[in-house]
Amino acid sequence: AQSVAQPEDQVNVAEGNPLTVKCTYSVSGNPYLFWYVQYPNRGLQFLLKYITGDNLVKGSYGFEAEFNKSQTSFHLKKPSALVSDSALYFCAVRDMFEGNNRLAFGKGNQVVVIP
Amino acid sequence: DAGITQSPRHKVTETGTPVTLRCHQTENHRYMYWYRQDPGHGLRLIHYSYGVKDTDKGEVSDGYSVSRSKTEDFLLTLESATSSQTSVYFCAISEDYSNQPQHFGDGTRLSIL
Repeated sequence: AQSVAQPEDQVNVAEGNPLTVKCTYSVSGNPYLFWYVQYPNRGLQFLLKYITGDNLVKGSYGFEAEFNKSQTSFHLKKPSALVSDSALYFCAVRDMFEGNNRLAFGKGNQVVVIP
Repeated sequence: DAGITQSPRHKVTETGTPVTLRCHQTENHRYMYWYRQDPGHGLRLIHYSYGVKDTDKGEVSDGYSVSRSKTEDFLLTLESATSSQTSVYFCAISEDYSNQPQHFGDGTRLSIL
């Protein structure tokens, strides 16, 4: 079965400092990995994905993520956090076997960027 | 933003009443999904559809049914609502099931008293 763990409920970071949101995954095959962001009273917005190729993936709003197969991780990063980055972040995985059309989501990380 | 409209956006109802939530898309995507979001659980898949009249269960399907009579509309029905179904419900769409991301509506906040 596919699953995602986001070990920290909340991440606090000062504005201008690097931001990291952690994600580890479990699949039986190869993973498709996604990051989403959710602002209050809104749906999830897609940030970036890893399908294959370069382990460093760049996405929207200056975010990037690094795929690490040996550590089964896909941590989200931003070099310099903004107050507007305060939101709920979700990691999701799909196991890459035929016929699997479901995403498994983590429980989410609340990011608070302190001015 | 992807053209996804959920209605109603808010609803309060009583235990035992039927409730239907609607998801309407203008993207002509084949796949549509219903999730519920609860604190501490993230998003959990209720049902999904891979075409008109083609649907399948997700991980929390008990007490819910769905229908898709047109590509653009996906309905979620709670036949007899219970307090445990109080949640925020999200609809999502995707072009395919493999490497394309899902795009989400803004949700329906449902309270069952």
